[in-house]
Amino acid sequence: GNSVTQMEGPVTLSEEAFLTINCTYTATGYPSLFWYVQYPGEGLQLLLKATKADDKGSNKGFEATYRKETTSFHLEKGSVQVSDSAVYFCALRDSNYQLIWGAGTKLIIKP
Amino acid sequence: GAVVSQHPSRVICKSGTSVKIECRSLDFQATTMFWYRQFPKKSLMLMATSNEGSKATYEQGVEKDKFLINHASLTLSTLTVTSAHPEDSSFYICSALRDNEQFFGPGTRLTVL
Repeated sequence: GNSVTQMEGPVTLSEEAFLTINCTYTATGYPSLFWYVQYPGEGLQLLLKATKADDKGSNKGFEATYRKETTSFHLEKGSVQVSDSAVYFCALRDSNYQLIWGAGTKLIIKP
Repeated sequence: GAVVSQHPSRVICKSGTSVKIECRSLDFQATTMFWYRQFPKKSLMLMATSNEGSKATYEQGVEKDKFLINHASLTLSTLTVTSAHPEDSSFYICSALRDNEQFFGPGTRLTVL
């Protein structure tokens, strides 16, 4: 069946550091891929998405590229800020428009 | 646009009582809404898919008689946790589907004493 695996956290970085959060998936067909972010005390927000192979989703300085050959959708940001501290979820959308979620990765950015 | 609200944001109840959680799409109509449960430091678990005017579709292992879902209008779905017990304590999140994308509510923290 479909599944999403993302790196365990917490990930702790200093401000302005480079960020990578790994995400790999298993799926039949070609699902759409998403990164959601959950800031402390808030609901889930869509961060970025990609709907087909080699697409790059980007938003707020974050990027992720849909890699079919490695079944990956790693999240990257060149220079993180304290305000990026949150929990990040990788997800895929199946043919029934249901989301299959990774376990979430808590990101802590220290000033 | 695409704002989803949940009410209440936090509820504490005694064991054995029932609790109703509302999920509203504020600026769009949603034929389909989803209910999730999030355990501490865990991912979201899909509980059920709610379709307006029809019965909800529950995921395997979710008791439909315990978690009653009603989607009576295109902007409102409700989740009622019946005869709640401490193990039902959790963070419940809803989402509404628009243009094939899910928009999430802020969640409801349920604590059963």
